Amino acid sequence: AIQLTQSPSSLSASVGDRVTITCRASQGIASALAWYQQKPGKAPNLLIYHASSLESGVPSRFSGSGSGTDFTLTISSLQPEDFATYYCQQFSGYPPTFGGGTKVEIK
Amino acid sequence: QVQLVESGGGVVQPGTSLKLSCAASGFTFSSYGMHWVRQAPGKGLEWVAVIWYDGSNKYHADSVKGRVTISRDNSKNTLYLQMNSLRAEDTAVYYCARDPRQQLAPYWYFDLWGRGTLVTVSS
Repeated sequence: AIQLTQSPSSLSASVGDRVTITCRASQGIASALAWYQQKPGKAPNLLIYHASSLESGVPSRFSGSGSGTDFTLTISSLQPEDFATYYCQQFSGYPPTFGGGTKVEIK
Repeated sequence: QVQLVESGGGVVQPGTSLKLSCAASGFTFSSYGMHWVRQAPGKGLEWVAVIWYDGSNKYHADSVKGRVTISRDNSKNTLYLQMNSLRAEDTAVYYCARDPRQQLAPYWYFDLWGRGTLVTVSS
């Protein structure tokens, strides 16, 4: 199975900060990567698919980039409602797999 | 309203069975592939199973293969997960999730999630 390594596993940031989360795949996955946001006690919510396509209804401060093995999720200006855990997921190889998550906390 | 609502979770003893359901509404259920994804308490996400929009194909994760079966009833807009020989390591919140691709093989990512149902396997 393709392994996804997210970094950092957690970070502290302030409202208004630019936040970057990385996801590295154990082998090339082209652009077959999605990003999800999960708040405590809630289901994950799709943010980005095909590495850089913004899901409908997701604020434009979220963006994704990368291809092959290295990917990035960027929040351009962190808002109070963005404090959550973020997961990457690859859908190139079988089975689909998730990264370990990045918890974004309030500084 | 486009939504998925899971039910059927609970506390069960090891070795027993449980059947989860996921009721879909607000969209053409029969056009979409569907998945189950689980999350153990305090842990990350793990894909469990997928079924094609028409039920013609289904795949299960190795961790549940032979014990768990995904199925669907398009006439009832409902997805199922039959879980047998449950183990402590099956303890998790089980989410049903929609694949975004319609009437074709799935993309294998998830654009709509239910709220989940908690399965606890404990003696």
